[in-house]
Amino acid sequence: RKEVEQDPGPFNVPEGATVAFNCTYSNSASQSFFWYRQDCRKEPKLLMSVYSSGNEDGRFTAQLNRASQYISLLIRDSKLSDSATYLCAFSSGGSYIPTFGRGTSLIVHP
Amino acid sequence: GAGVSQSPRYKVAKRGQDVALRCDPISGHVSLFWYQQALGQGPEFLTYFQNEAQLDKSGLPSDRFFAERPEGSVSTLKIQRTQQEDSAVYLCASTDRPNTGELFFGEGSRLTVL
Repeated sequence: RKEVEQDPGPFNVPEGATVAFNCTYSNSASQSFFWYRQDCRKEPKLLMSVYSSGNEDGRFTAQLNRASQYISLLIRDSKLSDSATYLCAFSSGGSYIPTFGRGTSLIVHP
Repeated sequence: GAGVSQSPRYKVAKRGQDVALRCDPISGHVSLFWYQQALGQGPEFLTYFQNEAQLDKSGLPSDRFFAERPEGSVSTLKIQRTQQEDSAVYLCASTDRPNTGELFFGEGSRLTVL
């Protein structure tokens, strides 16, 4: 089993839709979780960290489910500019080296 | 510039050639990472430096890959005797807060091996 698994998509949604992605991880020692955004042929950029209690940043909500070992990203009121690949990442205690998933492609259309 | 700078942005090499990829991290960032990203995949960890010390090189795929950061700033990733499977984007990232997981990536060096 891969350390981190993501549905590659693409998720094709209309503007204004709500869309959610999950990312499962296999290492139960994982302690820190993140969502990165990567535009086509560009570098990944941190979108948000994922806290145990869940966290929200505008239209974006991230949640952690330790029991089932997955994190989620919810995007409300999708914009055309949200079209990108969303990478989940985690690091384990004592290691500051993030492990990335393969990414989920989101396409928001008019 | 203020960001992570990588060069060359694009490199085409013939199979068997050696290549060197350079990374200039954000000034003052102690931690530096190299990742390899194949088409349609996520970044795969190669190696990690803290200052000039290479603390983890477990992701380097073979002994043809070598990385250094001799003065704790600029880093070079060298690939000897390139193979077609080495074709990928090589991403460098730096951070001054490694415990946060917030990495600042460069735009990458796209290597194509013919």
